[in-house]
Amino acid sequence: SAVISQKPSRDICQRGTSLTIQCQVDSQVTMMFWYRQQPGQSLTLIATANQGSEATYESGFVIDKFPISRPNLTFSTLTVSNMSPEDSSIYLCSIRQTETQYFGPGTRLLVL
Amino acid sequence: DAKTTQPTSMDCAEGRAANLPCNHSTISGNEYVYWYRQIHSQGPQYIIHGLKNNETNEMASLIITEDRKSSTLILPHATLRDTAVYYCIVRVFFDSNYQLIWGAGTKLIIKP
Repeated sequence: SAVISQKPSRDICQRGTSLTIQCQVDSQVTMMFWYRQQPGQSLTLIATANQGSEATYESGFVIDKFPISRPNLTFSTLTVSNMSPEDSSIYLCSIRQTETQYFGPGTRLLVL
Repeated sequence: DAKTTQPTSMDCAEGRAANLPCNHSTISGNEYVYWYRQIHSQGPQYIIHGLKNNETNEMASLIITEDRKSSTLILPHATLRDTAVYYCIVRVFFDSNYQLIWGAGTKLIIKP
């Protein structure tokens, strides 16, 4: 399976600021996904990011709050904008290869 | 909404088989069952998936009942490193694509 890395691995941010999370894959992939995992909870899909098109957001998530870039087939970024303590979560990048999804190590975000 | 229900937590003795149950009574005929696990502070790790036949790989076995309303993940010889949250997931088709619908997971604790 592909190797997925994320930066930063963790961060502590002040409310009102923004953080951009990077996801790098060691092979070209068409579909990339961004998930949120709130403390003690399961995973929730934020959006699907395909190269060359606008990201598709799930219900409850909007582009102004979570802008996504997908400049090429190996890289994507997710920005968490105007952060509040409720945004404290693990943010996970994921790719699909054949019938299986693989996940990055996650970015642990704490908003004070 | 989650399409799976799992026990919140389970214990298993090291070296014994760990059997993790999952109910998915509303699963449709073309929806696969996937299992992932998440070890503390890491991204989810793919384990196995199946449609209606039992499946086995180097990590685990997946037993799906004939009516497909439930399944069991079997870790044949559990080790301490198998302590993790195990997610039973249904893959649903949506808008000519598919999504993984995550349940709440089972926290499996392997005891020495």
